[in-house]
Amino acid sequence: DIQMTQSPSSLSASVGDRVTITCRASQSISSYLHWYQQKPGKAPKLLIYAASSLESGVPSRFSGGGSGTDFTLTISSLQPEDFATYYCQQSFSTPYSFGQGTKLEIK
Amino acid sequence: EVQLLESGGGLIQPGGSLRLSCVASGFSFSTYALTWVRQTPGEGLEWVSAITGTGASAYYADSVKGRFTISRDNSMNTLFLQMNSLRAEDTAVYYCAKLRGPLHEFDFWGLGTLVTVSS
Repeated sequence: DIQMTQSPSSLSASVGDRVTITCRASQSISSYLHWYQQKPGKAPKLLIYAASSLESGVPSRFSGGGSGTDFTLTISSLQPEDFATYYCQQSFSTPYSFGQGTKLEIK
Repeated sequence: EVQLLESGGGLIQPGGSLRLSCVASGFSFSTYALTWVRQTPGEGLEWVSAITGTGASAYYADSVKGRFTISRDNSMNTLFLQMNSLRAEDTAVYYCAKLRGPLHEFDFWGLGTLVTVSS
């Protein structure tokens, strides 16, 4: 089974900051890596698919990168609505798996 | 507009059974694979199960294999999750989601239904 490890688990930042979240797979997953945003009490929302493709309707301040085992999610200039929890997920093979999440909080 | 609406959650005793449903609209239901993902209150996301568009193939997490069964009725645009031998650790919000494209990203999610396993 493929294990996904995100870092950091939590992050404090200010509006306007640039932040990067990292996700590492326990084996190569090519570009089968996706990023989701979840706000309290809500379902997750797809932000980035195939490691670096921006989902329709998602602001361009979000970007993804990487391939193989190491991936990043970058928010170029934090906005108040970006404070949420972010998850990476692999779909290279079943059982599909998520990272443990990164909670982005206001500093 | 794509919509997924789960139902069937509730309070159930350990060892009991429950069947979740997810009614879909706004897309060609039989064309897409679907999945169940759960989230323990205050915790992270855990993939549970997935099924192909025709229903011919199903996949499970080790934690539910042999206890849960995923199925779908393409004539009713409905996805199911039959949960047997429920345990306290199955307590979670259960989401259904639609898979898209060759990389199988989860592009639309339902609102979730809460399952509580407790005596």
